[in-house]
Amino acid sequence: SYVLTQPPSMSVAPGQTARITCGGNNIGAKSVQWYQQKPGQAPVLVVYDDGDRPSGTLERFSGFTFGSTATLTVSRVEAGDEAVYSCQVWDTSSDHPVVFGGGTKLTVL
Amino acid sequence: QVQLQESGPGLVKPSQTLSLTCTVSDGSINSGTYYWNWIRQPAGKGLEWIGRIYTSGSTNYNPSLKNRVTMSVDTSKNQFSLRLNSVTAADTAVYYCAREVGLAAVRWFDPWGQGTLVTVSS
Repeated sequence: SYVLTQPPSMSVAPGQTARITCGGNNIGAKSVQWYQQKPGQAPVLVVYDDGDRPSGTLERFSGFTFGSTATLTVSRVEAGDEAVYSCQVWDTSSDHPVVFGGGTKLTVL
Repeated sequence: QVQLQESGPGLVKPSQTLSLTCTVSDGSINSGTYYWNWIRQPAGKGLEWIGRIYTSGSTNYNPSLKNRVTMSVDTSKNQFSLRLNSVTAADTAVYYCAREVGLAAVRWFDPWGQGTLVTVSS
């Protein structure tokens, strides 16, 4: 089945830019979603279809997918952005269509 | 805006059946062409898709759980349910229900329920 690979953790100083990656075989051909999950809370959709933002998602959050990597960029990082970010794709060729990455813990220094 | 809420026992004994219900509020489970999903997350680990159900009763399950999972829907109660039998400690996790939105291969989950912790222990 399809596999999505994320770095387990990363850290960034406030005001800087965080780029969280999600790797997968030819992921550029798929639609990628990103979820933010704060401690003790359910995941919340922040980006869908590679780079679209649902209403309520701040413009500081943007997504881009190309080749074998999808990237969620968080600009002007704030303390409140500290969370686990998980990517997700839909693999139509599989009987296991929903695939999540392992998640990346973003720490704001 | 539609909201989802999981309910069910927080403790299940090994070899028994885990049963959870997700209640949809502020909207009809029949409105639109949505699938309704169950997703779980063991402590400190990533999200695992369990399966989904359409209001017609059509289902798709994760192949790794397929032999133990049954999902059902009760449109009169605006609810859908999960049953996972023969549970072991490996099934201990926070269980989420979520609405699946999108078309063809462009699909995402929004919103999610708050999640409910199910512990498998004697």
